[in-house]
Amino acid sequence: GQNIDQPTEMTATEGAIVQINCTYQTSGFNGLFWYQQHAGEAPTFLSYNVLDGLEEKGRFSSFLSRSKGYSYLLLKELQMKDSASYLCAVKDSNYQLIWGAGTKLIIKP
Amino acid sequence: IAGITQAPTSQILAAGRRMTLRCTQDMRHNAMYWYRQDLGLGLRLIHYSNTAGTTGKGEVPDGYSVSRANTDDFPLTLASAVPSQTSVYFCASRGQGDGNGYTFGSGTRLTVV
Repeated sequence: GQNIDQPTEMTATEGAIVQINCTYQTSGFNGLFWYQQHAGEAPTFLSYNVLDGLEEKGRFSSFLSRSKGYSYLLLKELQMKDSASYLCAVKDSNYQLIWGAGTKLIIKP
Repeated sequence: IAGITQAPTSQILAAGRRMTLRCTQDMRHNAMYWYRQDLGLGLRLIHYSNTAGTTGKGEVPDGYSVSRANTDDFPLTLASAVPSQTSVYFCASRGQGDGNGYTFGSGTRLTVV
């Protein structure tokens, strides 16, 4: 079967750094996405990785290791507005997105 | 309209009733999707459409149907609602290119009683 694993919940302090991990087992791999979803809102696109390595976008970075079936999202200089759920999704061999259940990130002052 | 519009925003529906959730996009995206999101579970694909005139079944299609008469509209119909269909429903679309992320509508919160 296909499976995406992420921690259910994480807590971090404003101004700090947090890393959210995602491991996957899917039938094929055609890219990995990270989305942010605030409570009661729609998911919004954060990043896309298809090759191994680190992609940086401002305070957010995403890393991929295809051989390990592993990705992480790194958030720096945390702000209160970063409190949200972070969803990992993998595009499988049929080019369909398989979604993790999401990691709820709680930022404390 | 900017992006994807879903209607209604929320709805309480009696079991056994028929309901259509509307989804309209103005980005001229070919691919469109319907997901349901339940607490503790990832987004699950109900139906999808790669282009106008074609549709396909996702992971959880039973009890739902879709149509894609044109590029902009992708309605989702529950023929006879059941309480297990209580969920938040998101419509999404995708532009050209593998790196293009999905754009989501604001969702419809449906409660079947």
